[in-house]
Amino acid sequence: GENVEQHPSTLSVQEGDSAVIKCTYSDSASNYFPWYKQELGKRPQLIIDIRSNVGEKKDQRIAVTLNKTAKHFSLHITETQPEDSAVYFCAAYSGGGADGLTFGKGTHLIIQP
Amino acid sequence: NAGVTQTPKFRVLKTGQSMTLLCAQDMNHEYMYWYRQDPGMGLRLIHYSVGEGTTAKGEVPDGYNVSRLKKQNFLLGLESAAPSQTSVYFCASSYSRVSNQPQHFGDGTRLSIL
Repeated sequence: GENVEQHPSTLSVQEGDSAVIKCTYSDSASNYFPWYKQELGKRPQLIIDIRSNVGEKKDQRIAVTLNKTAKHFSLHITETQPEDSAVYFCAAYSGGGADGLTFGKGTHLIIQP
Repeated sequence: NAGVTQTPKFRVLKTGQSMTLLCAQDMNHEYMYWYRQDPGMGLRLIHYSVGEGTTAKGEVPDGYNVSRLKKQNFLLGLESAAPSQTSVYFCASSYSRVSNQPQHFGDGTRLSIL
């Protein structure tokens, strides 16, 4: 089955700086890569996603890049703000087995004032 | 429009007890999923359903059973609870397979097994 590795587990940045979270996946058949944000005690919420036919996608301060050859994808947050503090999860969908997402273990993003 | 609703929100069980977690969605979604979330482990798929009357195993199905008798409901059962099943359980749904439509998550159920 699919395996998703996520790094770093904790990331602390100064407010206004950029943050980058990286994920790798194992199944070359994976074709959909969402990112979720989860605040403490809350549900995961989809913030951006990318499909395998696209190399980059941007939504205001958030962008995701995908390198299919290397099987890795990254989340970029620019001009970070205090409300960006949360745990971020990457995920991959291969569709070859169970019809669900395989998640990374999460990155705790801390925005320092 | 409530989206995905999970009941109960919290529950404490003793080892060996049984219980059922209910997930209800009002978005007419075909696909429904149960995940568990443990500290430092991300979310892991337990079981899922691609339509009324269907169920299938995910990554960590042992110790759980599910049923989808009605399109809007997806039940997760623990027949004999074990401490290893202490976790936060999230239900999700989507209109079609997740590569085509995003998953919508419920607020979660915090389950403690003593």
